[in-house]
Amino acid sequence: QQQVKQSPQSLIVQKGGISIINCAYENTAFDYFPWYQQFPGKGPALLIAIRPDVSEKKEGRFTISFNKSAKQFSLHIMDSQPGDSATYFCAASRMDSSYKLIFGSGTRLLVRP
Amino acid sequence: DGGITQSPKYLFRKEGQNVTLSCEQNLNHDAMYWYRQDPGQGLRLIYYSQIVNDFQKGDIAEGYSVSREKKESFPLTVTSAQKNPTAFYLCASASGETQYFGPGTRLLVL
Repeated sequence: QQQVKQSPQSLIVQKGGISIINCAYENTAFDYFPWYQQFPGKGPALLIAIRPDVSEKKEGRFTISFNKSAKQFSLHIMDSQPGDSATYFCAASRMDSSYKLIFGSGTRLLVRP
Repeated sequence: DGGITQSPKYLFRKEGQNVTLSCEQNLNHDAMYWYRQDPGQGLRLIYYSQIVNDFQKGDIAEGYSVSREKKESFPLTVTSAQKNPTAFYLCASASGETQYFGPGTRLLVL
């Protein structure tokens, strides 16, 4: 019940295309869903986050879509650029569990020029 | 310059040796966390601390120990009991739900 399942494991997109990464969770008590971006040898950096009372959140080229009934959320990267090539992690946490993050297994994105 | 610092960047451990990874933050955050990252996997929680002088085990605490004597500092010791310590170790701090990560320490076994 504590798992967050992420897919695909890897993704190749042409420059200018849309990258879509999906995550699914079981525990309906989760109330915070962040996405992190990680470059090789670096720590993850918060990209964008959403709460379950909102169905979509957009920040620049990055959009989270949230489907509470399906217990799924996804990251869309519009106009993907080579500089977006990184590993992306979804995560989930609960306020009553000290906001401990449960991470998905990661998606390695490669954007080809 | 605010942020989270981790040292060293690389650390080598000999058989039977304890090693300590440093994590310091000047963000005035109450909560701090330690995660382990293995190749091709997500991050797994080792220990976390919500307040000074208090900490709790995460999902994979066996073979690790921590202390939280100061708000700014949350060092992690990898003990000889941890039989597979080779990994990338990440420290984070948080105010509320948002966690901010340090640059990581890569631990290798000689």
